[in-house]
Amino acid sequence: DAGVIQSPRHEVTEMGQEVTLRCKPISGHDYLFWYRQTMMRGLELLIYFNNNVPIDDSGMPEDRFSAKMPNASFSTLKIQPSEPRDSAVYFCASSHEGSSYEQYFGPGTRLTVT
Amino acid sequence: GQSLEQPSEVTAVEGAIVQINCTYQTSGFYGLSWYQQHDGGAPTFLSYNALDGLEETGRFSSFLSRSDSYGYLLLQELQMKDSASYFCAVHSGTYKYIFGTGTRLKVLA
Repeated sequence: DAGVIQSPRHEVTEMGQEVTLRCKPISGHDYLFWYRQTMMRGLELLIYFNNNVPIDDSGMPEDRFSAKMPNASFSTLKIQPSEPRDSAVYFCASSHEGSSYEQYFGPGTRLTVT
Repeated sequence: GQSLEQPSEVTAVEGAIVQINCTYQTSGFYGLSWYQQHDGGAPTFLSYNALDGLEETGRFSSFLSRSDSYGYLLLQELQMKDSASYFCAVHSGTYKYIFGTGTRLKVLA
């Protein structure tokens, strides 16, 4: 298996622009997680899906953030409008039902908002 | 509130043994995971403890004491490639995970 795939790997955008991050989980995994990592706040869980349904989005920082999972093999995290404080590395991870503690992380998207 | 505490940095020499501690305070607890992350890389899963005691996987072992809200990761026979950040993560609720701020391990030759 190719593992979790994320795109783009790097994104530089200007404040106010819309940003869309993409994730393809490992085939057969039931859970998909979106995390954000910064030096100040560490690794934070933003939202997770089970069988394509959003279960807990309490970690989403603001209404500017939204996530979708239209099917089992694709998810997006959108920021609109983006702000400099959104600059971070965004990771997508997936896992099996029953072993959700063993999460497989994608390579991450490094987002810089100027 | 919910919190996890780890030392920010640990230094050890090649071949040595190092222990990275994690104490937690969370509203729920199902288990404690450990992840390794090299600079510029993604976190990779190392181990999970749901019950008290020691779990051994090769050179790495992980320990949990639920009564003390405490766990540790033990790395033996340190190698240069073990230089990385190590995160503990509490499984605090149904598929809810809280990560610590990470411990940066430096292995010296």
